[in-house]
Amino acid sequence: AQRVTQPEKLLSVFKGAPVELKCNYSYSGSPELFWYVQYSRQRLQLLLRHISRESIKGFTADLNKGETSFHLKKPFAQEEDSAMYYCALRGGGSQGNLIFGKGTKLSVKP
Amino acid sequence: KAGVTQTPRYLIKTRGQQVTLSCSPISGHRSVSWYQQTPGQGLQFLFEYFSETQRNKGNFPGRFSGRQFSNSRSEMNVSTLELGDSALYLCASSFSYAGGGKNIQYFGAGTRLSVL
Repeated sequence: AQRVTQPEKLLSVFKGAPVELKCNYSYSGSPELFWYVQYSRQRLQLLLRHISRESIKGFTADLNKGETSFHLKKPFAQEEDSAMYYCALRGGGSQGNLIFGKGTKLSVKP
Repeated sequence: KAGVTQTPRYLIKTRGQQVTLSCSPISGHRSVSWYQQTPGQGLQFLFEYFSETQRNKGNFPGRFSGRQFSNSRSEMNVSTLELGDSALYLCASSFSYAGGGKNIQYFGAGTRLSVL
């Protein structure tokens, strides 16, 4: 079964501390992995995706096929990073829908 | 470029009624997907339309239906509303339904449906 697991509902860190939001997935083929972010009172928006291998707002994520993980990392958290973060998977072929994890609420304290 | 537009933003209905939600995708996007977001279940896929055809469907009862028009605008309908249908309904548009670089899903602000 296709599944995305985000084990932490809430992650609280202090400003300047490193952040790692965990994401594990279950999929038999080669999925596409995404991180979406939802800031307070804003719509869900794409943060980054594994195929582009880019860093957005200081965040990076590496797809580890052996561990079936796609953890999101940032070396120094900022208060403006406080938001809900969703890991999502899209299977191959003609199915374009996203399978989301339950989300992790990141709170960055001053 | 205007983003994904969903109307109405808020709806209050009573059990047994039906409701229609509307989604206008980003100009040039031909795929529209619908998701239900609840505190308990999170974001769950409802269905996806591309070129007026339903391409994919999630695990929801037949009371949930949708359609897409020739201008790519989409509507979803929920009949015989139940209390458990209270949720935020999100629409997402993308260039195409297939995977690949162009197929990033852009989300609307959602329609919050409350069933009393």
